Amino acid sequence: EAGVTQSPRYAVLQEGQAVSFWCDPISGHDTLYWYQQPRDQGPQLLVYFRDEAVIDNSQLPSDRFSAVRPKGTNSTLKIQSAKQGDTATYLCASRRTGGAVQNTLYFGAGTRLSVL
Amino acid sequence: GMPVEQNPPALSLYEGADSGLRCNFSTTMKSVQWFQQNHRGRLITLFYLAQGTKENGRLKSTFNSKERYSTLHIKDAQLEDSGTYFCAAEGSNTDKVVFGTGTRLQVSP
Repeated sequence: EAGVTQSPRYAVLQEGQAVSFWCDPISGHDTLYWYQQPRDQGPQLLVYFRDEAVIDNSQLPSDRFSAVRPKGTNSTLKIQSAKQGDTATYLCASRRTGGAVQNTLYFGAGTRLSVL
Repeated sequence: GMPVEQNPPALSLYEGADSGLRCNFSTTMKSVQWFQQNHRGRLITLFYLAQGTKENGRLKSTFNSKERYSTLHIKDAQLEDSGTYFCAAEGSNTDKVVFGTGTRLQVSP
């Protein structure tokens, strides 16, 4: 099966610019996660969806970040006005929850964002 | 505090050595997954555990939900084992998956 696909792979912005990241999860995976991983740190959960519903966005800076998954498949994470502190790799992951199979999380390759 | 505490933060081994990594959880977790992050930043799944112990080659992992910890043991370390290792745990009443802070492993000849 195809893996989790993310684009773009890299983005370089000036402060104040906007950027969108796109994620195509593995087919049939109902749950999708966005993580932010600053350099030399562990991934930190920003938001996750089950189907099209946001389940937890408590760690998403809501004044500048937004995330949608309108049809319960692909997802977009947007930063409205980027700051230097947003410099990080943004990782998307998906999995199938519930049922008898193990619910392994699969990650995309990530988008590496630099805000100058 | 952090729900997932991972130790040690860094580890240096010579080829052929054995060592272990540990994650402690502040609350009961439903499952744990261990990842290796390679030099390109890709997260590679090593293990998924809902309970008990699994082995794969030179790697072995244990998850004890009741005692709130998980371990990853590396036997006969090789140069290609170098990288950063993360545990990620799922809360017992949620699908939220939270990562530990990572262990940076360097294996030298």
